[in-house]
Amino acid sequence: GAVVSQHPSRVICKSGTSVKIECRSLDFQATTMFWYRQFPKKSLMLMATSNEGSKATYEQGVEKDKFLINHASLTLSTLTVTSAHPEDSSFYICSAEQGGTEAFFGQGTRLTVV
Amino acid sequence: GENVEQHPSTLSVQEGDSAVIKCTYSDSASNYFPWYKQELGKRPQLIIDIRSNVGEKKDQRIAVTLNKTAKHFSLHITETQPEDSAVYFCAAGAGKSTFGDGTTLTVKP
Repeated sequence: GAVVSQHPSRVICKSGTSVKIECRSLDFQATTMFWYRQFPKKSLMLMATSNEGSKATYEQGVEKDKFLINHASLTLSTLTVTSAHPEDSSFYICSAEQGGTEAFFGQGTRLTVV
Repeated sequence: GENVEQHPSTLSVQEGDSAVIKCTYSDSASNYFPWYKQELGKRPQLIIDIRSNVGEKKDQRIAVTLNKTAKHFSLHITETQPEDSAVYFCAAGAGKSTFGDGTTLTVKP
């Protein structure tokens, strides 16, 4: 199947700093990617839909100024957590779909804000 | 928007027994229903999926059934093995998916 690579897999940052997470589709072009957040022992919650060349579409309750999404090319979407605080600590995971069929997930990023 | 409910939240079975996880969805327009297996700290792995024009699909020990009228779909795992132990999520939609809350399956040897 298609490969989606997410980097970094783990990051620890200080409160108040910003963290960028990258999501790359390695062997296909993804005009649309999705960003999810997962709390421990909880389900995946869709945060936003990342659209190549246009603004991301955020789900209700997700602060767009807090979670900046950029989808500058057909193979790369980035999520930047700005002015991170301990409550932003979570598992962030991206996905990309190919041809309207199954979604392919990145490895996920464990963010810890101290 | 779509709402997906999943039951049970935990399931413990003896090795060799069958396991069944059930999900319901709310949006009758949904037409793609994947099931994922997620191990701790790892990405969800697609194990089987079904489209709305199909009522049942099987892949070795795993099967999924879909009842569009009732808006529910189920995952069936037969001859369970300890390595089947994980969290299983149902979802509705491809790409922009709505996930169920997950079922923690424990297979006791």
